[in-house]
Amino acid sequence: EIVLTQSPGTLSLSPGERATLSCRASQSVSSGYLAWYQQKPGQAPRLLMYDASRWATGTPDRFSGSGSGTDFTLTISRVEPEDFAVYYCQQYGSSPITFGQGTRLEMK
Amino acid sequence: EVQLVESGGRLVQPGGSLRLSCTASGFSFSNFWMSWVRQAPGKGLEWVANIKQDGDKKFYVDSVKGRFTISRDNAKNSLYLQMNSLGVEDTAVYYCARDGYGGYQVYWGQGSLVTVSS
Repeated sequence: EIVLTQSPGTLSLSPGERATLSCRASQSVSSGYLAWYQQKPGQAPRLLMYDASRWATGTPDRFSGSGSGTDFTLTISRVEPEDFAVYYCQQYGSSPITFGQGTRLEMK
Repeated sequence: EVQLVESGGRLVQPGGSLRLSCTASGFSFSNFWMSWVRQAPGKGLEWVANIKQDGDKKFYVDSVKGRFTISRDNAKNSLYLQMNSLGVEDTAVYYCARDGYGGYQVYWGQGSLVTVSS
């Protein structure tokens, strides 16, 4: 099983700042099959990125994904008020599919 | 518009059984892999199981193998999760999701709460 470790656990930023979220895998993620999700309180998760760097439909272009192998990053170029939420990475290249433990993006 | 509506969640005693259902609309259900993902109260996401379009391939997380069974009825646009031998660790919101072409979850239902407690 591939274990995904996200850092930091909590990221405190002000609107307009740049956010960098990390996801590190315990072994190489096959074909860069890594996705990012956003979840707000009381809501279902929302797919943001897949295949490490492809935008899901409706994802604003201030979000970008990068990485390969074992190190992946989700970047928000300028955080908007609606971006404060929990973010999860997920690998789907190996069974079982696994999620990271999440990074909480909170307003400073 | 894609819609996924889960039902069947409730309070159940340890050792009990429960069947969750998910009714899909707004897309061609038989063309897509489907998944169940759960989230324990205050915790992160855990993928539980997925099933191929025609139902002939199914995959599970180790913690539910032998206890949970995923199935689908394409004629009814429905996905199911039969859960047996439930333990308190199975308490969670269970989400039904439509997979993308790689195994990630594109569309999610609003979830169904399963509480296992005596």
